[in-house]
Amino acid sequence: KQEVTQIPAALSVPEGENLVLNCSFTDSAIYNLQWFRQDPGKGLTSLLLIQSSQREQTSGRLNASLDKSSGRSTLYIAASQPGDSATYLCAVVSAGNMLTFGGGTRLMVKP
Amino acid sequence: DAGVTQSPTHLIKTRGQHVTLRCSPISGHKSVSWYQQVLGQGPQFIFQYYEKEERGRGNFPDRFSARQFPNYSSELNVNALLLGDSALYLCASTYWDGYNEQFFGPGTRLTVL
Repeated sequence: KQEVTQIPAALSVPEGENLVLNCSFTDSAIYNLQWFRQDPGKGLTSLLLIQSSQREQTSGRLNASLDKSSGRSTLYIAASQPGDSATYLCAVVSAGNMLTFGGGTRLMVKP
Repeated sequence: DAGVTQSPTHLIKTRGQHVTLRCSPISGHKSVSWYQQVLGQGPQFIFQYYEKEERGRGNFPDRFSARQFPNYSSELNVNALLLGDSALYLCASTYWDGYNEQFFGPGTRLTVL
């Protein structure tokens, strides 16, 4: 059974810092990995999708990497802003065509 | 293009009642999945439908059922509601069955009293 863990569970940083969010999964037989952002009480916004054959994806200030063999992904956020405050979720697609989510990292960026 | 839409936005029910939640996928998307997100946790997979057929089912009781219509919209039904069914119910759509990027709707907040 696939299990996804995100560390840290919560993070508070001053504006302007570069930061790294971590995601690990137990079964390396994945098809892809997706990072999402969730604002309080809202739905999920897709940030980046990494196919299993890829090593990283970039979108603006966001960069996500994938190391399938070690079961790890990181989301790098450059020059953080207060508007980046949200919960960040990673999810993997493995056997069964469903997304398996981690518990999320709650990020607070202070002005 | 419109994104994934869900209705209603909020819903309050009492124990034992049943509820129907609705989802319309992005135009051209043929797969819809349902997830339950309890406060403070990541979403949990409930069902996936592709081309109107069930393609996956998570670890949820038979009180939960779903279907997909010819226009690819979907309904999630929950019978005999329990307090523990209170959650945000999320719908995701994708062009194909699971290996493409998945896009989520705003969710339906269900409160069971």
